[in-house]
Amino acid sequence: SQQGEEDPQALSIQEGENATMNCSYKTSINNLQWYRQNSGRGLVHLILIRSNEREKHSGRLRVTLDTSKKSSSLLITASRAADTASYFCATDQGNTPLVFGKGTRLSVIA
Amino acid sequence: DAMVIQNPRYQVTQFGKPVTLSCSQTLNHNVMYWYQQKSSQAPKLLFHYYDKDFNNEADTPDNFQSRRPNTSFCFLDIRSPGLGDAAMYLCATSRDIAQSYEQYFGPGTRLTVT
Repeated sequence: SQQGEEDPQALSIQEGENATMNCSYKTSINNLQWYRQNSGRGLVHLILIRSNEREKHSGRLRVTLDTSKKSSSLLITASRAADTASYFCATDQGNTPLVFGKGTRLSVIA
Repeated sequence: DAMVIQNPRYQVTQFGKPVTLSCSQTLNHNVMYWYQQKSSQAPKLLFHYYDKDFNNEADTPDNFQSRRPNTSFCFLDIRSPGLGDAAMYLCATSRDIAQSYEQYFGPGTRLTVT
């Protein structure tokens, strides 16, 4: 069953701008993960944030988690054309497989 | 490099003709997953193996079956493909299900049904 809902569904920005994608979910979670998928390829894990964490950084990525609002955001700073991809959040509810959201399609225009 | 490999990358089959997709991993992970992904949609989990234990999602059609003969290999069998089964099929692995382990994905097999 679908747990995460990403927002917006599609986002188009200029190279160098920041991109923000949001994910909302419905039930309590152990952690939330973000994945990237380039067109026609498999998903690649980007970052994991645990339910007791509020913010996490990895390079140009910044992820926040607000468990009271059941939402997370992924910020990509100083975007590049190579960041063009679909981004999915996935929630870990315990001893069950990850549940993926519908994804945000990001286009970074050079 | 440790990885998840899927063969073939592109598969064309005829309506109703059985087809098998394969996945192998060098990560020695306990869990292997099969996802179906249609255009601009989220990956949809079909089933997963925890070691030899098979776990089928409730809404996975009976047309889809899987085999895991050993730790490294897992197969997806589509017994009678329909036009609606045309999709990207993704294999993934993880060390475990619990304890917040990430999933490692293969490049996918794009299935076309004619």
